[in-house]
Amino acid sequence: EVQLQQSGAELGKPGTSVKLSCKVSGYNIRNTYMHWVNQRPGKGLEWIGRIDPANGNTIYAEKFKSKATLTADTSSNTAYMQLSQLKSDDTAIYFCAIDYYSSYIYYWFAYWGQGTLVTVSS
Amino acid sequence: DVLMTQTPVSLPVSLGGQVSISCRSSQSLVHSDGNTYLHWYLQKPGQSPQLLIYRVSNRFSGVPDRFSGSGSGTDFTLKISRVEPEDLGVYYCLQSTHFPNTFGAGTKLELK
Repeated sequence: EVQLQQSGAELGKPGTSVKLSCKVSGYNIRNTYMHWVNQRPGKGLEWIGRIDPANGNTIYAEKFKSKATLTADTSSNTAYMQLSQLKSDDTAIYFCAIDYYSSYIYYWFAYWGQGTLVTVSS
Repeated sequence: DVLMTQTPVSLPVSLGGQVSISCRSSQSLVHSDGNTYLHWYLQKPGQSPQLLIYRVSNRFSGVPDRFSGSGSGTDFTLKISRVEPEDLGVYYCLQSTHFPNTFGAGTKLELK
C-alpha cells in the first residue's frame, strides 16, 4: 500500500523559513514525480511545483520560484519543501502528492499526504 | 498559465440523483504526444484530495462506475449518477498537459 506521511504542523514567524517533509512508503520515489500543492484557508488547490527525485530536477510555478525549494532524499524515500521569507499569505495547508506507474498505466497525483498546516504569525 | 473554469461553484443534490460538473480550459489540453491530461479529484471535508478520473475518462482503482468523465480539447464533464453520501465534498479538475499544472476552483457537491 502506498502511503505518504507528512511532517507536523508548523508555526513560523514572518521572514523566517520552514522545511516540510513527506516520507513515502510502498513505492520508490525514484520512479515518480513528487508534487507539492497548497490550499489557503477556505480556498482551492494550487500547484507549487514538482521534483524528479531520481535526478533532482525541479519545475516551479512562477509565483513560487523564490518561495519554495524542493529537494528529495532517495535513500530515505523522503521529499522536502522549504518555504522561505514567510509572510502571512503563506498560511496554508501544504500537500505532497506522487504520480504512480503500475501495469503500464500512469496515474497523475494518485496518492496524497495528509497535509501540513503552516501558520505564519508573529 | 492555463485557466481552468469549473461550473457550477455549488451543486445541491438529492441522494440517488445525478449531477454534472463542467470544466473548461483556456487553451487546448491535447498534448504534443496526442494525449489529454485532464483529471478529476474529490476532496472530502477534512481530507486530502483523492484521484477519481485520469486522462479525461479513466476511473482510478476502486472508483465506482457511478463516476464518469468525458470531453475533449477544452471542454470536459464529470458525471455522477446515483449520488451517495460519501460522494459529498469538493470536486476539482486538474490539467497536467501544460506547466504550471493548474486546478479548477472547485465545485462543492452538497445535499439539497
